[in-house]
Order: sequence, then structure tokens, then C-alpha cells
Amino acid sequence: GAVVSQHPSWVICKSGTSVKIECRSLDFQATTMFWYRQFPKQSLMLMATSNEGSKATYEQGVEKDKFLINHASLTLSTLTVTSAHPEDSSFYICSARPLQTQYFGPGTRLLVL
Amino acid sequence: GIQVEQSPPDLILQEGANSTLRCNFSDSVNNLQWFHQNPWGQLINLFYIPSGTKQNGRLSATTVATERYSLLYISSSQTTDSGVYFCAVVETSGSRLTFGEGTQLTVNP
Repeated sequence: GAVVSQHPSWVICKSGTSVKIECRSLDFQATTMFWYRQFPKQSLMLMATSNEGSKATYEQGVEKDKFLINHASLTLSTLTVTSAHPEDSSFYICSARPLQTQYFGPGTRLLVL
Repeated sequence: GIQVEQSPPDLILQEGANSTLRCNFSDSVNNLQWFHQNPWGQLINLFYIPSGTKQNGRLSATTVATERYSLLYISSSQTTDSGVYFCAVVETSGSRLTFGEGTQLTVNP
């Protein structure tokens, strides 16, 4: 199957700082990538769809100025959590669908103190 | 948007037992996937099964698209099967993968 990687796997930051998470497709090109967020004991919720060379599409209720997405190449999408606050602490997972099957990265655990 | 309901929410088994997990969805779909989320959070693809039946070792899945449900069967369960099982769908008119709430499976030795 296709491989999606994420970096970092976990990050701890102070409130008010910005954090960048990278998502890479290792063995395929991805014109579209998806960013999900998962809170403890809950399901995955789609935050935004990242499109190579164009603006991301955000789900209702997701602040686009807070969660900046850049999809600058066919193998890399980045999510920047700007001015992070404790309520942004969560598990962030990226994903891509090269054909019909959607594959997920290992996720990034963000803790904002 | 489409609704995805999974049952049961929690399931506790003894090693060696069999189980059936169910996924109901509220609209027609062109993509249905089953995932296993391990204790580290990694989502592992189990099946891509928008219709029909597939088997992979001790796991098998059946989707009856016309009746809007899918079943995941786990036979001879092992402790390593523990974790959360998610069903996720893409409705025919859409493109986003929508997840159910998951079934938390615990297999005791």
C-alpha cells in the first residue's frame, strides 16, 4: 500500500507559539491531501482538504487563519497551527488517496502548555 | 451530510472468540473502508469494500450497498487485535471520507 509520513510525531509548545506539521507521500504523488483531527476517545474529524497549487478547502467551523495549510508540491503538505492554545492540543493526522483507498500518516500529537 | 453509525461501541472478548462489527450508513456510497487504529494511533487499512465480500486471513468484510451496511468479522481473536475499529465512507455525491464513531475492541488473554 501507499505510504504517508508525518513529522514531527509529537510536539510540546508554549501557548501563543506556532507549530508546523509536515505530511509527505513517500511513494506516490498526491494532488490532494486531507487533514484530520482526533480528540481522545473520539473519532476522526476532517479539518480541511489540501490541494496542490491552490487554496485549501476548510470544513465548517475550522478557522482557516488559525490552521494554515500549504500544499506546495505533489508530495508535501504542511499544516501550521498559529498562535496555539491549550484547546488546540490534539492528535493531527494527514491522509491521501492515490486511487480509491485512502492512506493515513502516523499522526502528530500536539500538546500546548 | 452522510451519517455513519457503528455498533457495538465497546466489545470485550476472550482470546480465540469470534466477533462481528457493524457499520450502517445513511446514503449511497462509492467508497467504504475499514481501519484498525492501534494503541499508538496509527490507522491501519483493513479493507476497501464499497460492495461485496473480501477476506484477509482471520478478517473478512461484507458490504451490502443496497441496504447501506457493512460488517467486519474477526475470527479467532488475538490480543493484538485490540484497538479501535473504524468504518469510513465517501458518499456518492461527495469526496470526503467520513468516519463512524468506532468500536473499541479489547481482547483479553
